Amino acid sequence: QVQLQESGPGLVKPSGTLSLTCAVSGGSISSSNWWSWVRQPPGKGLEWIGEIYHSGSTNYNPSLKSRVTISVDKSKNQFSLKLSSVTAADTAVYYCAIIVVVPAAILTSVFQHWGQGTLVTVSS
Amino acid sequence: QPVLTQPPSSSASPGESARLTCTLPSDINVSSYNIYWYQQKPGSPPRYLLYYYSDSDKGQGSGVPSRFSGSKDASANTGILLISGLQSEDEADYYCMIWPSNAWVFGGGTKLTVL
Repeated sequence: QVQLQESGPGLVKPSGTLSLTCAVSGGSISSSNWWSWVRQPPGKGLEWIGEIYHSGSTNYNPSLKSRVTISVDKSKNQFSLKLSSVTAADTAVYYCAIIVVVPAAILTSVFQHWGQGTLVTVSS
Repeated sequence: QPVLTQPPSSSASPGESARLTCTLPSDINVSSYNIYWYQQKPGSPPRYLLYYYSDSDKGQGSGVPSRFSGSKDASANTGILLISGLQSEDEADYYCMIWPSNAWVFGGGTKLTVL
C-alpha cells in the first residue's frame, strides 16, 4: 500500500515561501494516479490546494493559483508544494494524498491514501 | 469556486441513524456529479468513505462498513451520507466533496456527535 510522508519547515515568515515535500513509498509516482495537496487551518475545514500527474500536468485551486506551484521529482519518488507570499491565513496542517481512479460508470477518483500531515505556521 | 453547504453539527444516539447532508449550489446539478464522503477524526488525516452517483453507480472505501451509505435528493440538490446503527467510533467530522470543473471542492464539514 502506498504511504505518504510530508516534510518541510514548520515555521515560515510572512511574505516568504512555504515549501513542502511529500515522499512516496510502496508505489511509484509515475503510476497512473494524480498526487495532491490539501490543507486544514487549525479548527477549520479542508481546502484543496492542487494536484499533479507524473507528466507534470497540474490543476490548482483557483483561489490559490497565483501563489501555488506543485512539481514532481521522479528520481526521488516525491512531489512538492511551494506557496508564495504567505500570510497568517496560510497557517494550516498540510496533507499530501494520492488520487486513484476507481472503476465506475463515470470518471471517479478518490483520495485513497493520505500522509499524516504537517503543521506549518506563518509567523515572524 | 462553488460552495458545498453542510450543517456544522449533527448528533444522534448509539444505534440510531444519522443523515448528513451536502447541498450544492443551484447552478450545479447534484444528479450530474459523484458525491464523495470523507471522515476525519481528531489528529488524523481524512479517510475516504464512499462515493455515490446513483443506486447503480456507487462505491465503498476499503474496510468501510456497509452501515455507511450514500444517496441523493435531487429535489433539494443535495447529497446525503446515511450512517445506520451509530457507534461511538463514528463520532467524527464528515466532509463531502465534488469535482465540478478541474478543481476539487470540499464542503465545510459536519461534526457528528454520538450522544
